[in-house]
Amino acid sequence: ILNVEQSPQSLHVQEGDSTNFTCSFPSSNFYALHWYRWETAKSPEALFVMTLNGDEKKKGRISATLNTKEGYSYLYIKGSQPEDSATYLCAFYPGTYKYIFGTGTRLKVLA
Amino acid sequence: GAGVSQSPSNKVTEKGKDVELRCDPISGHTALYWYRQSLGQGLEFLIYFQGNSAPDKSGLPSDRFSAERTGGSVSTLTIQRTQQEDSAVYLCASSLIPGSSGRNQPQHFGDGTRLSIL
Repeated sequence: ILNVEQSPQSLHVQEGDSTNFTCSFPSSNFYALHWYRWETAKSPEALFVMTLNGDEKKKGRISATLNTKEGYSYLYIKGSQPEDSATYLCAFYPGTYKYIFGTGTRLKVLA
Repeated sequence: GAGVSQSPSNKVTEKGKDVELRCDPISGHTALYWYRQSLGQGLEFLIYFQGNSAPDKSGLPSDRFSAERTGGSVSTLTIQRTQQEDSAVYLCASSLIPGSSGRNQPQHFGDGTRLSIL
């Protein structure tokens, strides 16, 4: 059974703080790792698609790294803003149709 | 718009009734996925379509659940004889075929259908 775990489950940070969270996935049969942001009352939005060990991706204040050998990815948010409040999901793709999603990290940025 | 469209956005029905949920994917997206999120749970894979065929329907929880896709476009998820445990948000996503053009493709999600079984 393929398992994807995200930590922490939730966190609160002050506006301006930087934060990071973790996605752990199986280190075998790796094809891709996706990050999504899911705001309340909206649909999940793709942030990054990561395919290569050592990948680093950046989008504005958000960046992600990937270590396929040890099976983890970090998502970083620099200088958090209230609009960053959302659930951040990672999804592991082993190349056989099915994506396995983590349960997400719920971020609340306090003004 | 050109995004994934789902209908209805909300559905409340009595236990035992059948419901049909619709997904209209982005034009040209051959891959289509159905997921559900029950209260306090993560996104649970239900079924994957590649064109009109479903090579992976392993996530359908019981034989009360079925899905079809016609014309390589619109998909419907049908739940027969609904039970209270079917209450969840049902999400549809579409993408280009995973791994096409040598790159993995992100999924584009609809806004979901919130299903409540009384």
